Amino acid sequence: LAKTTQPISMDSYEGQEVNITCSHNNIATNDYITWYQQFPSQGPRFIIQGYKTKVTNEVASLFIPADRKSSTLSLPRVSLSDTAVYYCLVGDSPRSGDKLTFGTGTRLAVRP
Amino acid sequence: DVKVTQSSRYLVKRTGEKVFLECVQDMDHENMFWYRQDPGLGLRLIYFSYDVKMKEKGDIPEGYSVSREKKERFSLILESASTNQTSMYLCASSRPGANVLTFGAGSRLTVL
Repeated sequence: LAKTTQPISMDSYEGQEVNITCSHNNIATNDYITWYQQFPSQGPRFIIQGYKTKVTNEVASLFIPADRKSSTLSLPRVSLSDTAVYYCLVGDSPRSGDKLTFGTGTRLAVRP
Repeated sequence: DVKVTQSSRYLVKRTGEKVFLECVQDMDHENMFWYRQDPGLGLRLIYFSYDVKMKEKGDIPEGYSVSREKKERFSLILESASTNQTSMYLCASSRPGANVLTFGAGSRLTVL
């Protein structure tokens, strides 16, 4: 299981681009990288998933370098509603024995 | 359109009581998970299951057990609740071969 390391917290202002990096030095060949967003008193929700290079959807982009030892979640032009905790999850299928353990996450505060 | 439903949002129990936390998903997912979330510690995996009647220990299984008699239902059992089990409990499910988890809203348990 690849252990992940993220910054504990980040601050930003509305309209800025925010990049949150996750380190996962011992990522395995079959592991995917998945990011989640969590608001207070709610369960985390899926944002984006990737295996290598770049993935983009309607809310975020995910950049993964060739060695896959890190990944960066990019949130374009954040708003106050993007204030949340962001988790990086690296793993394979639970049936293979992968426990899918989350890290402590990054608390993003967006200010007006 | 709630897809993962946790039976209780808030529970208050006394030390030594037996506690059942129920989780039901309607997405026909094979994998189901129980996490607990505490301030500063992120999400920690208690147990997971990748098939009916199958269960695997997560990172912190001590003091907990689980039951999965039907595909859609995964129950977390605290045989004898203790104050250090006061926490937010999150249930999640996923398809096989994926680490895209869908979470429930959580159950906040207080043990007095």
